[in-house]
Amino acid sequence: DAGITQSPRYKITETGRQVTLMCHQTWSHSYMFWYRQDLGHGLRLIYYSAAADITDKGEVPDGYVVSRSKTENFPLTLESATRSQTSVYFCASRGDTGYEQYFGPGTRLTVT
Amino acid sequence: GENVEQHPSTLSVQEGDSAVIKCTYSDSASNYFPWYKQELGKRPQLIIDIRSNVGEKKDQRIAVTLNKTAKHFSLHITETQPEDSAVYFCAASWGTYKYIFGTGTRLKVLA
Repeated sequence: DAGITQSPRYKITETGRQVTLMCHQTWSHSYMFWYRQDLGHGLRLIYYSAAADITDKGEVPDGYVVSRSKTENFPLTLESATRSQTSVYFCASRGDTGYEQYFGPGTRLTVT
Repeated sequence: GENVEQHPSTLSVQEGDSAVIKCTYSDSASNYFPWYKQELGKRPQLIIDIRSNVGEKKDQRIAVTLNKTAKHFSLHITETQPEDSAVYFCAASWGTYKYIFGTGTRLKVLA
């Protein structure tokens, strides 16, 4: 579990501000994912990446941007935060073999 | 679209009793079915998983069964203990990135 970390763990920001959530993994996993978790919705995929410089949209990508210049990092940016983006954000990674996903500790984001 | 339905949303059992959580998925291409346990304020932790070529898998007090024909799978916890209290999520997966999660079951084990 210590192999995947997120920062910050808590963030409060104002509507309209840009905010970036960081995700770092030390396993050299090819696949990385961003989810948001809201009551009544479970976990919903925002973006995923199959390798450095390869990213694609998930179920709820609107308002988010990702990049992956290095295998170990997968930052998620909210370009202009809205209150509806208040949520808990989880990063996850998966190796090339097997299907198991491993989750980071999460970032609780509040948009005021 | 793809969907995973999970029931019940809350479940209370007496310590020592069994708990069963059920999920139904929509896409017949799903071939991997993990179960996660999430304690309050913590990350989801994989507790058991099953692939589509297996009908049942057991790990100590936890078991998962899969019925591909009916497109449903279930988590069984026997001899429940207070530390089993948490939210449990099922998921159905196919391909390299498709993971659709259920909405979670809050399990309370009463001492």
